[in-house]
Amino acid sequence: GENVEQHPSTLSVQEGDSAVIKCTYSDSASNYFPWYKQELGKRPQLIIDIRSNVGEKKDQRIAVTLNKTAKHFSLHITETQPEDSAVYFCAAIVGGGTSYGKLTFGQGTILTVHP
Amino acid sequence: DGGITQSPKYLFRKEGQNVTLSCEQNLNHDAMYWYRQDPGQGLRLIYYSQIVNDFQKGDIAEGYSVSREKKESFPLTVTSAQKNPTAFYLCASSPRTVGSSDTQYFGPGTRLTVL
Repeated sequence: GENVEQHPSTLSVQEGDSAVIKCTYSDSASNYFPWYKQELGKRPQLIIDIRSNVGEKKDQRIAVTLNKTAKHFSLHITETQPEDSAVYFCAAIVGGGTSYGKLTFGQGTILTVHP
Repeated sequence: DGGITQSPKYLFRKEGQNVTLSCEQNLNHDAMYWYRQDPGQGLRLIYYSQIVNDFQKGDIAEGYSVSREKKESFPLTVTSAQKNPTAFYLCASSPRTVGSSDTQYFGPGTRLTVL
């Protein structure tokens, strides 16, 4: 089955700096890669996702890049703000068809943005 | 997100008791999922259902049971056979039909504590 590794497990940055979180996956058939943000005690919320037919996607201060050959994808947050502090999860799935593809999550990265 | 509700928010169980966690969605999504999250950990899949009256075991199904009698509802029962049930339980749903999104949307979660 799919295995998703996420690094680093903790990340501390100063406000205004950039933050990068990296994930690798094992199943080359995976074709959908969402990123979730989870604040303490709250539900995970989708912040950005990418499909395997594109290499990069950007939404304001957040971007995701995908390297299918190397089987890794990364989350980039620019101009970080204290409210970006949370746990971030990556995930991968073989999706888009009638058969079920399990969404496999990384272990999470605790991001702390210091004012 | 607002279309998925879970109840109760907090639940306390005595050892040897079965408890049922509720999950309801009004998003007309076909697929529903149950995850367990332990402190500092990622999300682990307990059970999932792609259509009404059908469900499949996930990675950690032992000690849990589910039903899917209605499209909108996917209750999870934590049985006395689950040896370490204290955790944060998250329900999710997604369209999961051909040509639609694989994105999963999460409910607010139920925190279960065994006394």
